[in-house]
Amino acid sequence: KAGVTQTPRYLIKTRGQQVTLSCSPISGHRSVSWYQQTPGQGLQFLFEYFSETQRNKGNFPGRFSGRQFSNSRSEMNVSTLELGDSALYLCASSHDRDQPQHFGDGTRLSIL
Amino acid sequence: EDQVTQSPEALRLQEGESSSLNCSYTVSGLRGLFWYRQDPGKGPEFLFTLYSAGEEKEKERLKATLTKKESFLHITAPKPEDSATYLCAVQATGNNRKLIWGLGTSLAVNP
Repeated sequence: KAGVTQTPRYLIKTRGQQVTLSCSPISGHRSVSWYQQTPGQGLQFLFEYFSETQRNKGNFPGRFSGRQFSNSRSEMNVSTLELGDSALYLCASSHDRDQPQHFGDGTRLSIL
Repeated sequence: EDQVTQSPEALRLQEGESSSLNCSYTVSGLRGLFWYRQDPGKGPEFLFTLYSAGEEKEKERLKATLTKKESFLHITAPKPEDSATYLCAVQATGNNRKLIWGLGTSLAVNP
């Protein structure tokens, strides 16, 4: 069974640009969550999608947005990039919110 | 405020030297507590879910236990391949089901 796939694995951008990250969940999983991971803050919850609807949202500015498609694949977008957005962005999928989440290997985003 | 604290931040063991990692939590009501392992450059890998005080789960050299205020991850006779960061997360009851994560314990096992 294929795991969670995130693309791209690495990305380098400059301040002010925007970026789109992609996540393909495990087949059959309808819940997709996104996290930002930094050494000092650990895993910070961005948002969760279930059946194309945002079901939960963390405390991030509106520059961070996401969506989910009918096949459960998800994308997140960050506009007007700042230096502080440099992080590992992780996607996790599960059957539903009370089930264990399974993670992809993340997208490493570096802002110059 | 819901909070998860893991200790120690880092731990270095000799191969075969057993030890325990701690995850203390404060939540209004616990729906579940999750343990993950994360290797460098990889996403977290699910290990265990615990739901109620007194529950225990085992997998190879790892055993997770749960009380009303904390969870322990016991590592028996560790091997170098057990070196990783171990993360703990809790999920509270109620409509907001998002996971609250600790900062992790970085474990190094020397041969």
